[in-house]
Amino acid sequence: QVQLQESGPGLVKPSQTLSLTCTVSGASLDSGGFYWSWVRQHPGQALEWMGHIYHTGNTYYTASLKSRLTISLDTSKKQFSLRLTSVAAADTAVYYCARARKYFMGVDFDYWGQGALVTVSP
Amino acid sequence: DIVMTQSPDFLAVSLGERATITCKSSQNLLDTSTNSHCLTWYQQRPGQPPKLLIYWGSTRDYGVPDRFSGSGSGTDFTLTISSLQAEDVAVYYCQQCANIPVTFGGGTKLEIQ
Repeated sequence: QVQLQESGPGLVKPSQTLSLTCTVSGASLDSGGFYWSWVRQHPGQALEWMGHIYHTGNTYYTASLKSRLTISLDTSKKQFSLRLTSVAAADTAVYYCARARKYFMGVDFDYWGQGALVTVSP
Repeated sequence: DIVMTQSPDFLAVSLGERATITCKSSQNLLDTSTNSHCLTWYQQRPGQPPKLLIYWGSTRDYGVPDRFSGSGSGTDFTLTISSLQAEDVAVYYCQQCANIPVTFGGGTKLEIQ
């Protein structure tokens, strides 16, 4: 059974960097056919795809976050990570890591972590 | 970007009755290589992560009860719950998998009437 688990600080100060790690079990991060993704959800709001990484290291980011977002992969640790710089209150959200099934042009998500609430506040 | 629009935002249905949620995309989601539509439905129960329900517009994921069904073509899609159960209280999202960036609908909150 594939399982994903987010970890990282639950509170980040404005202008600082938000860092989260997703640990994966039951699947290999260096096999093709899947992307490793981050999706966030602002309180009471819809899901927002942030970006994903392929086992080759290729990354894809949503345009609105591209200048602040980095997703990286450590296959030996079975982890992938998110780094979001210069955070503000608007970045307060639940952050999910997810496995994305690769299609011709897009993806969908078959396994999700439980989510990590990150609050941006002084 | 492909815009996904769901309706209604909120739906209250009696136990045992039918619930219908619609999703409209700004572009045709037909994948000509498979002749299937790249549209996925998720269920998000309170305090839980989303759960994949239906993919390719109409294929139920493993273990999803058969009271859930998906239909539609082109730009217009529907999620139907044929006989609402208490455990179906959730927010339902559609998502297009035809292109990047990934885009979701705004969600439909389903409650018991």
